[in-house]
Amino acid sequence: QKEVEQDPGPLSVPEGAIVSLNCTYSNSAFQYFMWYRQYSRKGPELLMYTYSSGNKEDGRFTAQVDKSSKYISLFIRDSQPSDSATYLCAMSHMYSGGGADGLTFGKGTHLIIQP
Amino acid sequence: GAGVSQSPSNKVTEKGKDVELRCDPISGHTALYWYRQRLGQGLEFLIYFQGNSAPDKSGLPSDRFSAERTGESVSTLTIQRTQQEDSAVYLCASSLEQGSGANVLTFGAGSRLTVL
Repeated sequence: QKEVEQDPGPLSVPEGAIVSLNCTYSNSAFQYFMWYRQYSRKGPELLMYTYSSGNKEDGRFTAQVDKSSKYISLFIRDSQPSDSATYLCAMSHMYSGGGADGLTFGKGTHLIIQP
Repeated sequence: GAGVSQSPSNKVTEKGKDVELRCDPISGHTALYWYRQRLGQGLEFLIYFQGNSAPDKSGLPSDRFSAERTGESVSTLTIQRTQQEDSAVYLCASSLEQGSGANVLTFGAGSRLTVL
């Protein structure tokens, strides 16, 4: 079982829809949970991160962590064509150290918002 | 600089040639990472620098791959005797490594390598 599982998609939804992107993980030591957005031919950029369980909201984006289920979600409200990108989840321990174990990425979900 | 800079942005080379890819991290960021991203795939960890040292090289796929960092700043990833399977986007990222807390990476735009 991979440490972080993420459905690669593509996920195609109409403009204005609520989008739900998800990752599951197996390592209960993960404490920090991040979402990166990657546009075509660009590097990933950090959208938001949360610590431990709970929700965090930033504009149209909400990140949710359920540590008991080892499940994290990113919700996008009022989705726009400009939200079309690949979304990667990433996780780290309390004391991240660095290296291969410093940050564990999902493979990314390709999201398409249809105008 | 304001962000992580990578050069060249695109490189086309012939099989068997050597290539060098450069990364300029954010000033003051002690940690530097190289990742490889094949078309439609996730991020594949290659190597991690803390300062000028590389405590984790576990992701380098073969001895044709090497990297160095100098002045706790610029890093160069070198691929010798390139193969077609090396075609990918090579991403560099840097972070302020604080020992605890979220390990937030800032990525460059990547160097797209095509081996003919």
